[in-house]
Amino acid sequence: AQKVTQAQTEISVVEKEDVTLDCVYETRDTTYYLFWYKQPPSGELVFLIRRNSFDEQNEISGRYSWNFQKSTSSFNFTITASQVVDSAVYFCALSPWASGSRLTFGEGTQLTVNP
Amino acid sequence: DADVTQTPRNRITKTGKRIMLECSQTKGHDRMYWYRQDPGLGLRLIYYSFDVKDINKGEISDGYSVSRQAQAKFSLSLESAIPNQTALYFCATSDLGVSYTFGSGTRLTVV
Repeated sequence: AQKVTQAQTEISVVEKEDVTLDCVYETRDTTYYLFWYKQPPSGELVFLIRRNSFDEQNEISGRYSWNFQKSTSSFNFTITASQVVDSAVYFCALSPWASGSRLTFGEGTQLTVNP
Repeated sequence: DADVTQTPRNRITKTGKRIMLECSQTKGHDRMYWYRQDPGLGLRLIYYSFDVKDINKGEISDGYSVSRQAQAKFSLSLESAIPNQTALYFCATSDLGVSYTFGSGTRLTVV
């Protein structure tokens, strides 16, 4: 069984603050993928990043960065210098590779960035 | 055209009515999924299909059925809609779990 936990239901920050969204997962699979999605108020799901279980290198993309730590089963997401346009619901998700592939989502974190 | 198309985008229906949500894809993926999103609960898996002859229940399949008419088409039916099936529904495709492509969602309201 797989499980993804996003303990922060809602986060509110002021523009230009840095914010970290936490994600903890459970899986028995040795090969799996971790994902982050953004859901703006319009409702669509926007893919942000995918990480495979063998690649623990941190990744940075502009103001976004991700910290994958297999030892603590965590895949945290940091937004640096947040902007109002970052306001959205963010989902962390897990998928085993190949035979049992299906995404298990966390509950989501509602991020509000105030001007 | 979008890679994964869901129709309708919005639907209001009455309790007890049968309704079908349709999903078609141009990704060429064998694997297709239906998810339901409720506030505070994330997305939960209703049904998934790894090929035309393969249908599997997800964690919340009660009250739903599916049909995989072709590799590119995967429909979700509510045989007798009830108000607690009001939700945002997503269809998705995948290539062996490496990447997933989602439709834009269907917002269903059961009154």
